[in-house]
Amino acid sequence: AQSVSQHNHHVILSEAASLELGCNYSYGGTVNLFWYVQYPGQHLQLLLKYFSGDPLVKGIKGFEAEFIKSKFSFNLRKPSVQWSDTAEYFCAVNANAGKSTFGDGTTLTVKP
Amino acid sequence: KAGVTQTPRYLIKTRGQQVTLSCSPISGHRSVSWYQQTPGQGLQFLFEYFSETQRNKGNFPGRFSGRQFSNSRSEMNVSTLELGDSALYLCASSFLSGRGYEQFFGPGTRLTVL
Repeated sequence: AQSVSQHNHHVILSEAASLELGCNYSYGGTVNLFWYVQYPGQHLQLLLKYFSGDPLVKGIKGFEAEFIKSKFSFNLRKPSVQWSDTAEYFCAVNANAGKSTFGDGTTLTVKP
Repeated sequence: KAGVTQTPRYLIKTRGQQVTLSCSPISGHRSVSWYQQTPGQGLQFLFEYFSETQRNKGNFPGRFSGRQFSNSRSEMNVSTLELGDSALYLCASSFLSGRGYEQFFGPGTRLTVL
């Protein structure tokens, strides 16, 4: 069975600080990887996705993620966070059509 | 294109009742998945329907069921509600691009069981 582990439950940063959120997954086959964001009171939105090819993928709002196959990791990064990045972030793995497995989420609080 | 729509947005029920939630996927998407989101368990996959057939199923009791209609709209039913069923129920509409499945989420239905 697939599983996804997000390293941090709650991260607090000041504006302009750099962000890295860890995500590791457990699955032996080919997977597609996603990061979603859920702003307060809003629905899940796709930040970025990895299917194949270049392991460094860029998403919306300046986010990027790197897929390291040997480490089963897909960490999310942003060089300089803003107050508006305050949200909950979810890493997800998909290896079977419409069935995705999500991590527990990381709550990011950015202090102005 | 219009996004994924879910109705109702909020629902309050009492223990023992049953509830039906509805989801309309993005036009042209034939796959609809349902997830339960709670603070303690996070996002848990319930089931997926594709062309009116259940294609994948999560580890939820039989009280949770669903169906899909010929227009791809989907409904989810929970019978004999329990307090622990209080959650945000998310519907996701999926399509297969050339490289893999992409999911688009609706705003959810917030179910409160009293």
